[in-house]
Amino acid sequence: DSGVTQTPKHLITATGQRVTLRCSPRSGDLSVYWYQQSLDQGLQFLIQYYNGEERAKGNILERFSAQQFPDLHSELNLSSLELGDSALYFCASSPGLAGHTDTQYFGPGTRLTVL
Amino acid sequence: AQKITQTQPGMFVQEKEAVTLDCTYDTSDPSYGLFWYKQPSSGEMIFLIYQGSYDQQNATEGRYSLNFQKARKSANLVISASQLGDSAMYFCAMRETGTSGTYKYIFGTGTRLKVLA
Repeated sequence: DSGVTQTPKHLITATGQRVTLRCSPRSGDLSVYWYQQSLDQGLQFLIQYYNGEERAKGNILERFSAQQFPDLHSELNLSSLELGDSALYFCASSPGLAGHTDTQYFGPGTRLTVL
Repeated sequence: AQKITQTQPGMFVQEKEAVTLDCTYDTSDPSYGLFWYKQPSSGEMIFLIYQGSYDQQNATEGRYSLNFQKARKSANLVISASQLGDSAMYFCAMRETGTSGTYKYIFGTGTRLKVLA
């Protein structure tokens, strides 16, 4: 158990809908990262937050947004869903402060299926 | 240019044999970290081993060791005495200091390892 939690574990929805994925980082970790992994694909970095602030953006679609709350949990919002959004969405956390040894730990993932 | 390159999309190894999974990287950050993660068919990403750029010795964690060759920019994962449960996708990753002052992680495309009985 990495200490990172993600809910829900599975999500099935229809095209055009909106969903919210939730992540709670490990205790003490300030950085949260979101990744998308499509079938047989590598990890695509989406976005990173550090202590409530957005710090880096990757290949995140405009239909997707995220935020990190004062209690450091994070939510990834996916809207106007398309079939191609079906994927495994990972949250990862790390202490995050540059200049220190930092290791990223992953949550179990949320498997999103868009029908 | 790819920052993390895993040239072996798939590999087979006989049970109880050792196997090396290749990873090369490219960075200009003098202080970086290298990681290996395992992703079994169940989907979770499991942290295996870490090597810091300033570490003098190769990292080891049980049956896992990281063959770190800094001048060649390679960070190969060695799994000794392979077990059937080692069958999984393996990802090499690098941590750099991002422009925002926090860390940035870059992942390779992965190597799928199959251990044969």
